[in-house]
Order: sequence, then C-alpha cells, then structure tokens
Amino acid sequence: GENVEQHPSTLSVQEGDSAVIKCTYSDSASNYFPWYKQELGKRPQLIIDIRSNVGEKKDQRIAVTLNKTAKHFSLHITETQPEDSAVYFCAGYRDDKIIFGKGTRLHILP
Amino acid sequence: SQTIHQWPATLVQPVGSPLSLECTVEGTSNPNLYWYRQAAGRGLQLLFYSVGIGQISSEVPQNLSASRPQDRQFILSSKKLLLSDSGFYLCAWSLDWDRGGKLFFGSGTQLSVL
Repeated sequence: GENVEQHPSTLSVQEGDSAVIKCTYSDSASNYFPWYKQELGKRPQLIIDIRSNVGEKKDQRIAVTLNKTAKHFSLHITETQPEDSAVYFCAGYRDDKIIFGKGTRLHILP
Repeated sequence: SQTIHQWPATLVQPVGSPLSLECTVEGTSNPNLYWYRQAAGRGLQLLFYSVGIGQISSEVPQNLSASRPQDRQFILSSKKLLLSDSGFYLCAWSLDWDRGGKLFFGSGTQLSVL
C-alpha cells in the first residue's frame, strides 16, 4: 500500500522568510496530492492540492511542486506570517484511500 | 453546499466501556467516508473507509469497527475500549475521483479513555 514520508517534523523560520516542507510517496499509481493545515485543537483544512498530470500549482503565497519520476512533492510558503504557524500534513491518494504523512510543525519566529 | 456533522465533540469513557461515534454528511450523495485517528501531537492514521452502504475497508486491525447503515452516515464503534484508544477521532468525506476527490473533515471527537 501507499506510504507517505514527510520532512522535517519541525521547522522554524523567521517571519517573512520562506518555508519548504517535503514529502515522498511509495506508490507510483498515486495520482492526487493534497496539503492540509491544522491549527491547535481544530480539524485539518485543505490549503492546496495537485494532481499527477501537473508539475506545479500556486495559490498566492503557497505553491506545491510534484516530481513524479522521483515520487516526491513539496509545499512552499513564501513571505511567512504569524498565522502560518500550524501543523502541515501532506497526503497521497489512490483508489479512494488517502494516506497522510506524519506532519510538520511550522513555527514562525517574530 | 455540503456539510459534515460529527458528535460528540468530547468524550470521557472508562476502560472496557463501549463506544459509538457518529458522523453524517449533508448536501451530497454517495460520498466516500473515512475515520481517522490522531494521537496527541501525532499524524493522521486512517482507520476505516467506505465507498458505499455496507462497504467497509479496515486499515488497522484493532478493537474498533465501523458501519455505514445509510448513504451519508458513518459510525465508529467499540465493544470494549482500551487505554490506547484515546485520541482525536476525525470523520471525513470526499467525492470519488471523477467528481473531485477532495477530502473534508468533521470537527472531531476528543476521546479520553481512563
């Protein structure tokens, strides 16, 4: 089955700098890769996603890149702000199963 | 628009007691339904998923079970809770791939087994 690895587990960046979170997946048939943001005590919220026929997608300060050959995808957050502090999860999707990485706790330092 | 309801929000149960968590989705038909568990400070572990009434796939063997008695209702159960069952339980729904595939979570149930 699908296995999704996520790195780093914790990331601290200065406010205004960029943050990058990386994930790898094991099943080459996976075809959809969403990213979720979870604030303390709340449900995960979808922030951006990418399908396997696209290499990059951008939405304001957030972008996701996908390398199908290497089976990895990354989340890029530019011009980070205090409200970006949260736990971020990547996921891989195949045949109605959505498997998540273990999460990255992002701290934005003042 | 679609909404997902999950209850209760918080639950404290003694070891050995039964469990029933319920989730319903409104505003769509034939959704895929999921139960995830999140231990404190940890990731999202897929427990069960269902692509239709009476169709349940189990991902992790344990003392939990799931049922889907109606199209938009998903229930997580246990006959006897263990301490290790404590965690944040999240119900989620999605449409199948052809209709979008995006996953949306309920507000979660914080379960403490004492």
